Parts: sequence; structure tokens; C-alpha cells
Amino acid sequence: SAVISQKPSRDICQRGTSLTIQCQVDSQVTMMFWYRQQPGQSLTLIATANQGSEATYESGFVIDKFPISRPNLTFSTLTVSNMSPEDSSIYLCSAPRGQGTEAFFGQGTRLTVV
Amino acid sequence: GIQVEQSPPDLILQEGANSTLRCNFSDSVNNLQWFHQNPWGQLINLFYIPSGTKQNGRLSATTVATERYSLLYISSSQTTDSGVYFCAVRIRTLGRLYFGRGTQLTVWP
Repeated sequence: SAVISQKPSRDICQRGTSLTIQCQVDSQVTMMFWYRQQPGQSLTLIATANQGSEATYESGFVIDKFPISRPNLTFSTLTVSNMSPEDSSIYLCSAPRGQGTEAFFGQGTRLTVV
Repeated sequence: GIQVEQSPPDLILQEGANSTLRCNFSDSVNNLQWFHQNPWGQLINLFYIPSGTKQNGRLSATTVATERYSLLYISSSQTTDSGVYFCAVRIRTLGRLYFGRGTQLTVWP
């Protein structure tokens, strides 16, 4: 199975600040995905990150608020900018791995904004 | 986009009981996965099952792609089975996953 390392695992941040979440995959992958899970809700896709190109954002998410980097085929970062309490969520990165393209997830980042 | 519906939304069981969780989806898919989200928020892969039946210990899953549904069976449930179970589907190779709303399972000793 794939190993996807995500950090930090949790953080408590002041409103108005920014947090960068890192995601490292143990092998090269074409696409990586960032999801948000608000309290008591299901997972919502924020954006798809392809190496060497701009991320593709879903409706309701914008680059200024959630800038994403994808410098190589094993690494990506998501920044949550100018945070407000409404940004308190679990953020998860994902990548499909293996010939069957099964999707795996990082451990998640539990963000609380105060 | 594709719709993914899970039922029941909540399930409360006594330890040792069996249960069946259902996932219906509205369009053809090339991948279906079941996940268990633990209390720390981590998603644990249970099954990658675009079609057919698989078993892993006390858990098994069946997907009938032609009828657009999947079932997750949990036998002899344990307190450690508690958490949220998500069904997610993909419609394109290497594409994003579409998640259902999940089933919150609580197993009492």
C-alpha cells in the first residue's frame, strides 16, 4: 500500500494567519488531491494538483485563499490563508497509487482557528 | 456530477451484532472504495471494489456495478469498529473521488 505522509497532524491558529500543510508521497504520482472535511460533514474536493502546472480548483475555492504548490511528483503543499474560524476543518491530501489506481490518503490535518 | 448516497446515516449496535451498509451511485464508475474514518480523522482504506465481492476478516463488500450499488458487511461488530464509514467513487481513471455523506456507526459493549 502507498505511504502518504502529511503534516502537521493538527494545529491551533489565530485568525488572520496562514498555515501550510505538507504532503509527501513515497513514489511518483501524476495527480494529487486536496480535500476539506468540515465538522460533521463529508469530504469536499478543494483542488487537483498536477506537477508543473497550476492547480485546478473546484467551485467555491480560490487560489488566493488556498494556494497550492506541486514542485515535483512526490510532494505538494496546501496553504490556508487569512484564516477565520470557518476554516476549522480536517484537511486531507490524497493520491492514487498502484496499477489499480486505488486512492490513499494522508493522516489528515485537524485545523482549529481561534 | 455523480450522486453518492449512503444508508443508513446512523447505526447503533451492540457488540457482536452484524450490520449492512449501503452505497448507491447515480452513474457508471470505474472505481469504488470503502473507508473507515477513525476518531482522529484518518481515513483507513477498507476495500477497493469496482465490482465483485471481497472479504477481509470480519468485513466484506460487494459491488454490483450494473445496478449501481455496493454493500459493506460487518460481522460480529466490536467497539473498535465505531466511526464513520464512507463510500467513494471515481468516474475517470486517476480522477478525483466523489464521497457519500457517510454512515456513523456506534458499537456499544
